Amino acid sequence: AQSVTQPDIHITVSEGASLELRCNYSYGATPYLFWYVQSPGQGLQLLLKYFSGDTLVQGIKGFEAEFKRSQSSFNLRKPSVHWSDAAEYFCAVGPSNTGNQFYFGTGTSLTVIP
Amino acid sequence: NAGVTQTPKFQVLKTGQSMTLQCAQDMNHEYMSWYRQDPGMGLRLIHYSVGAGITDQGEVPNGYNVSRSTTEDFPLRLLSAAPSQTSVYFCASSWNPSTNEKLFFGSGTQLSVL
Repeated sequence: AQSVTQPDIHITVSEGASLELRCNYSYGATPYLFWYVQSPGQGLQLLLKYFSGDTLVQGIKGFEAEFKRSQSSFNLRKPSVHWSDAAEYFCAVGPSNTGNQFYFGTGTSLTVIP
Repeated sequence: NAGVTQTPKFQVLKTGQSMTLQCAQDMNHEYMSWYRQDPGMGLRLIHYSVGAGITDQGEVPNGYNVSRSTTEDFPLRLLSAAPSQTSVYFCASSWNPSTNEKLFFGSGTQLSVL
């Protein structure tokens, strides 16, 4: 079965600093991977997704993620964090060919220090 | 477009009471799903539907019922609420999960069971 691990529960960075949020997945075939962001009191919004092709994908709000099959990872990055990026970030793996379920990680909470 | 609409936003129940969380989408999505979000647990799938008249269980279905009589609506029923069901509930929809289209999320329902 698919699973997603986000090893960092909480990360604090200074505004303007770079950011990397880690995501590891367990999946038997080519995975479909997503990053979502949840602002306080809101639902989740898609940041970016990877289906195939170029392993470096660009998303909204200046985020990017790199798919590394050898490491089973799909880490999210941003070169310079803004205070408005403070939120909860979720990595997810999409349905397999035989299923209809998305699997989410436990989330990483990001605090941005002015 | 309104997107995915959840009602109510907040609800307090006593143990043993029943209630229905409403979810409606106006995007003609075939796929609809319910998640619960708990601290440290991420999002866990409760039930999902791939079309009107079709529902299936997710990861944590016990204590919840669903039905899908129309494409637009996917209510979640708690027949006898328990304190363990205190959580934030999200409804999400998509055109076709088998092609890994992104999920659209509602803004959530915060439920407390006393």
